[in-house]
Amino acid sequence: GAGVSQSPSNKVTEKGKDVELRCDPISGHTALYWYRQSLGQGLEFLIYFQGNSAPDKSGLPSDRFSAERTGGSVSTLTIQRTQQEDSAVYLCASSLMGNEQFFGPGTRLTVL
Amino acid sequence: GQSLEQPSEVTAVEGAIVQINCTYQTSGFYGLSWYQQHDGGAPTFLSYNALDGLEETGRFSSFLSRSDSYGYLLLQELQMKDSASYFCAVRSMNTGFQKLVFGTGTRLLVSP
Repeated sequence: GAGVSQSPSNKVTEKGKDVELRCDPISGHTALYWYRQSLGQGLEFLIYFQGNSAPDKSGLPSDRFSAERTGGSVSTLTIQRTQQEDSAVYLCASSLMGNEQFFGPGTRLTVL
Repeated sequence: GQSLEQPSEVTAVEGAIVQINCTYQTSGFYGLSWYQQHDGGAPTFLSYNALDGLEETGRFSSFLSRSDSYGYLLLQELQMKDSASYFCAVRSMNTGFQKLVFGTGTRLLVSP
């Protein structure tokens, strides 16, 4: 595809359940980022991948959050035992070692 | 750590000029980026300044003063479609070259 894609676009889950969010970056982009955005707020950095490795996991809010990237392409963000405070839009972005990050449309997560 | 400050909201009328300021605190500064985000949409890249001065791209310009830790986004000939949130983001050596730390955003409301 031409841009970054994310799935699902919306996810409603019950507190305590695990969720997986997927990101397909632009083909050839080596860097991949996950952010979280709460309503009306800025973007909170979660994790950054360069290839398949994650040199910076500093933004993961707790050990319930994990992410992986395989084949230097698709990435999944997993949230275990979801809590209501996890409700937010999760944005993925990719870049080609440049200044511009290209964002996907996001996954809106609602934890009931 | 890093911190960025932007006004929370700015209002203007069509055809006017508006300036959105951003002040930052960080060490090992590399550059300042600006992103636009319409309600419900993904952030899109507008500009990047690594050196002092003004960068112009059509109706939008971005300015940086490294000595003052200050930048701004200038929007000219405002159109209704410019109503959106605008985020400044800083890249610094402290956080790794690829990581962006975003401000909380400025909501621009353009009225007829």
